[in-house]
Amino acid sequence: AQKITQTQPGMFVQEKEAVTLDCTYDTSDPSYGLFWYKQPSSGEMIFLIYQGSYDQQNATEGRYSLNFQKARKSANLVISASQLGDSAMYFCAMREGYSGGSNYKLTFGKGTLLTVNP
Amino acid sequence: EAGVTQFPSHSVIEKGQTVTLRCDPISGHDNLYWYRRVMGKEIKFLLHFVKESKQDESGMPNNRFLAERTGGTYSTLKVQPAELEDSGVYFCASSQRQGSGNTIYFGEGSWLTVV
Repeated sequence: AQKITQTQPGMFVQEKEAVTLDCTYDTSDPSYGLFWYKQPSSGEMIFLIYQGSYDQQNATEGRYSLNFQKARKSANLVISASQLGDSAMYFCAMREGYSGGSNYKLTFGKGTLLTVNP
Repeated sequence: EAGVTQFPSHSVIEKGQTVTLRCDPISGHDNLYWYRRVMGKEIKFLLHFVKESKQDESGMPNNRFLAERTGGTYSTLKVQPAELEDSGVYFCASSQRQGSGNTIYFGEGSWLTVV
């Protein structure tokens, strides 16, 4: 079974509008972390935002916010005020295990290709 | 502060040849990981070092792949002999052990093409 599911292979958004990229996850571990990464055409993987399973509030980083719905096991990325430079592949990933422990292995989804139109 | 750096950025080799990829993690990061993405597939974990020790190498595909991290600093990933299905992008990542160690930073990847 897929541990990380990104159901949108591609998304289009108009510049300056907000967009939500979906991510659902599957784990029986009570302690886990959820990550979003951006991969532009140049290839590097850029860390965007992190949400821990015990965090009470949704994570935010500038124009990025994570809509964390624990009961639904979803961790959607919301990008506000889209910019042309936001066009990239976006990956959702999960780390299972305690943050103080040694299990830092990430499981990735297949990614969503976001295109921002002018 | 320098990020995770990888070398070479691109490599084209013939089937049967050997390639060695290098990764320099962020200074002070004990944890170092290798991942790869082959064409059309998800990014997959290969292995995890804590300092010089292999913590988890469950993702290594077969014994043609050898990873080392002598001295606990940089790491190398050798593919010998390379096969066509090894083509893809190999990412290295690093993180701190505690504190802000939740964040895992990736390099730009080493793109490998086996022909």
